[in-house]
Amino acid sequence: QKEVEQDPGPLSVPEGAIVSLNCTYSNSAFQYFMWYRQYSRKGPELLMYTYSSGNKEDGRFTAQVDKSSKYISLFIRDSQPSDSATYLCAMSRNSGNTPLVFGKGTRLSVIA
Amino acid sequence: DGGITQSPKYLFRKEGQNVTLSCEQNLNHDAMYWYRQDPGQGLRLIYYSQIVNDFQKGDIAEGYSVSREKKESFPLTVTSAQKNPTAFYLCASSIDRTGPYEQYFGPGTRLTVT
Repeated sequence: QKEVEQDPGPLSVPEGAIVSLNCTYSNSAFQYFMWYRQYSRKGPELLMYTYSSGNKEDGRFTAQVDKSSKYISLFIRDSQPSDSATYLCAMSRNSGNTPLVFGKGTRLSVIA
Repeated sequence: DGGITQSPKYLFRKEGQNVTLSCEQNLNHDAMYWYRQDPGQGLRLIYYSQIVNDFQKGDIAEGYSVSREKKESFPLTVTSAQKNPTAFYLCASSIDRTGPYEQYFGPGTRLTVT
């Protein structure tokens, strides 16, 4: 079993839809969870960062962490064509000096 | 402007040649990382460095080498021993080597070896 699993998609939604992107993980030691957005041929940019369980909201984006289920989600409300990108989840342990472990990314297309 | 720069954006080399990819950051970050990205493979860690003059192998270090002589710079050499060097290479840095990690990425270098 891979440490982090992420459905690669592609996921295609109409403009204005609510998008749900998800990752599951197997290592219960993960404490820090991140979502990155990557446009084609560009470097990933950090979107959301959460620690442990709970929700975090930033504008149209909400990140959720359910440590009991080892499941994290990113919700995008009122999706826009400019949200079309690949979304990567990433996580790390609490012990420091530990590189991030990335999911393979989900490709999202928002159709106008 | 603060950030991470990678150069060049596109690089072409003949098989059998070593090539060095540049990564510079002016964020005063302690840790720096090199990843390789292939279609459908996600990001795979090649090497990382938490402090000057120290670095560790990642998951796919074979055929690569790095140095960290300055805090701002972490060049990656793709050697002729790397069997499939054509890929998109990403450099990243993070603010605190003791974690937690919020890594910031450069724009990437696309290497094509023929």
